[in-house]
Amino acid sequence: DGGITQSPKYLFRKEGQNVTLSCEQNLNHDAMYWYRQDPGQGLRLIYYSQIVNDFQKGDIAEGYSVSREKKESFPLTVTSAQKNPTAFYLCASSIESVRQPQHFGDGTRLSIL
Amino acid sequence: AQSVTQPDIHITVSEGASLELRCNYSYGATPYLFWYVQSPGQGLQLLLKYFSGDTLVQGIKGFEAEFKRSQSSFNLRKPSVHWSDAAEYFCAVGAGTYKYIFGTGTRLKVLA
Repeated sequence: DGGITQSPKYLFRKEGQNVTLSCEQNLNHDAMYWYRQDPGQGLRLIYYSQIVNDFQKGDIAEGYSVSREKKESFPLTVTSAQKNPTAFYLCASSIESVRQPQHFGDGTRLSIL
Repeated sequence: AQSVTQPDIHITVSEGASLELRCNYSYGATPYLFWYVQSPGQGLQLLLKYFSGDTLVQGIKGFEAEFKRSQSSFNLRKPSVHWSDAAEYFCAVGAGTYKYIFGTGTRLKVLA
């Protein structure tokens, strides 16, 4: 079955450490997204990518970085510059444009050690 | 500014009762509207979508939503709630070319 796979499900970060969250999709979708979810704040857009080798900052990109070297993959790095990284991170993908819904992975919960 | 408002943070209903979750949006052009459901520790699952045509949209799990342009609303309804419907519900609008805007969610609790 097609879908989005996020790994790991749980991740712990030490002070000063960069960590990378994986997102892979086999839906052949062009667009991919990273969201951060905090209680009571809904989903906030970190980065999105419309095509390979191109990506745009979302509303809360500071302290995060991404790459899009393959259509199927859109990893997110949480850098040491992100001072409050504890959150639930969701990856999503979609076909063409916002007329179509997004498909979501099951998320990665990041915590600070 | 483009925005989505879900005015109810929490809603509690008894099993078998009807449900309505409110969603208001602010968007200048024709909106593309979605409702998603999220169980704890999981991703979001699409319930239904609207982008044109009949303003009453049917979705999965017995849910429906009505688009009212004059009220900028897209409320989600279900005639009879089941205990398994307890979850968090998000309304979203497709804005621009690739960006989606989400509401802050409504957490539904179902009493037995």
